[in-house]
Formats: sequence, structure tokens, C-alpha cells
Amino acid sequence: GQQVMQIPQYQHVQEGEDFTTYCNSSTTLSNIQWYKQRPGGHPVFLIQLVKSGEVKKQKRLTFQFGEAKKNSSLHITATQTTDVGTYFCAVTSGANNLFFGTGTRLTVIP
Amino acid sequence: GAGVSQSPSNKVTEKGKDVELRCDPISGHTALYWYRQSLGQGLEFLIYFQGNSAPDKSGLPSDRFSAERTGGSVSTLTIQRTQQEDSAVYLCASSRRAGEKLFFGSGTQLSVL
Repeated sequence: GQQVMQIPQYQHVQEGEDFTTYCNSSTTLSNIQWYKQRPGGHPVFLIQLVKSGEVKKQKRLTFQFGEAKKNSSLHITATQTTDVGTYFCAVTSGANNLFFGTGTRLTVIP
Repeated sequence: GAGVSQSPSNKVTEKGKDVELRCDPISGHTALYWYRQSLGQGLEFLIYFQGNSAPDKSGLPSDRFSAERTGGSVSTLTIQRTQQEDSAVYLCASSRRAGEKLFFGSGTQLSVL
């Protein structure tokens, strides 16, 4: 299956600090999706990026797709306790199967 | 229904028994996925159905695992002769079309004693 590395594995931040997670692939991606999984919950879709160099924002969340379409990032500005959870990137293989990254678990300290 | 429905929500079984996990995708969704998630871990791909095409079974960990999707809707994941290492949350997801965003069910927590 598609190999995608996600870093860091864990991140602890003080409330109000920024947070970034990165997703890296050795191959060019057709698109990338991001999901959030709250503790005890199931993954919920956040966004899909398709174009090279694309940047999308959702309130305090900024998503970027690299120019070479081999990496992506999710940045959260001024984290809040509601941001706690695990953030996954997901990439498609040629058959439109969807493989998930290893995830970044975010803890926000009040 | 309004979302992806999975049953049972919890299943406790004895080692060596067979189990069946059910997934009802969102009506009209052509793609259906099964993933496995161990505690604190990522999502391990198991199998993918797309319309009437042959399923992608490349993620099934052993021949004890099988899945079917009847009539392009409901899917059943069967694990034969369960082992303790099969204990995990089994998540089902569907999407309207291949490559689009996934909608996940709440999962089945499988515990093999």
C-alpha cells in the first residue's frame, strides 16, 4: 500500500500555542485528505487538498499541499482544549483506496 | 440512515470462535472501506469495495479474515478462529464515490479473551 509518514507522533502544547503536523510521501500524490479523531471517537473528515501548492483555511486551521505534491501540513493557530485529538492525513493509491498516516496525537494543556 | 451504522458496538468472544461484524453504509455511497485500529494506534487498511468491482483485499492480515458486500450496500466482515491479537476497534467507512471524503461509523470494539 501507499507509504506516508506523519510527524510528530505526539505533541503537547500549552493552550494558546500553535501546533503543526506534517505528512510526507516518497511518491507524488494525487490528493490528500485530513481527518480528526477525538479521544474515544471515530475519524471525521476535515478537508481535501488537490492542487499543487494549495492552501486552505478553516478558522484557526490552515492546510497546505506542497508544490511537488509529496507533502502536506496542518497548522492550528492558538490551540484550544477542543483541538485535542489525533490528526491523520490520508492518501489515495491508484485504485482510489485510502491509506492513513500514523497520526499525530495532540494534547492541549489548559 | 443518516450515517454509517456498525453493529455490534461491542463484541466479546473467546479465542477460536468466529465473529461477524456488520456495516450499513450511507445510502447511495458506492465505496465502502474496513479499517482496524488498535488502542492508541493508527488506522490499518483491511479491505475496500467500489461499486461492482472486485474488492481490494490486499490489507486483510490472514486468510481468517474475509468480507463481503451484498447488493452494493451492507457489508459483513468475518473473522474465523479469532486470536487475541485480533482485539481492536474495527471501523467501517463509506464515501459517495471513490476518492471522496469518508464517513466513518462508530466502530465495533472486538475483545478476544
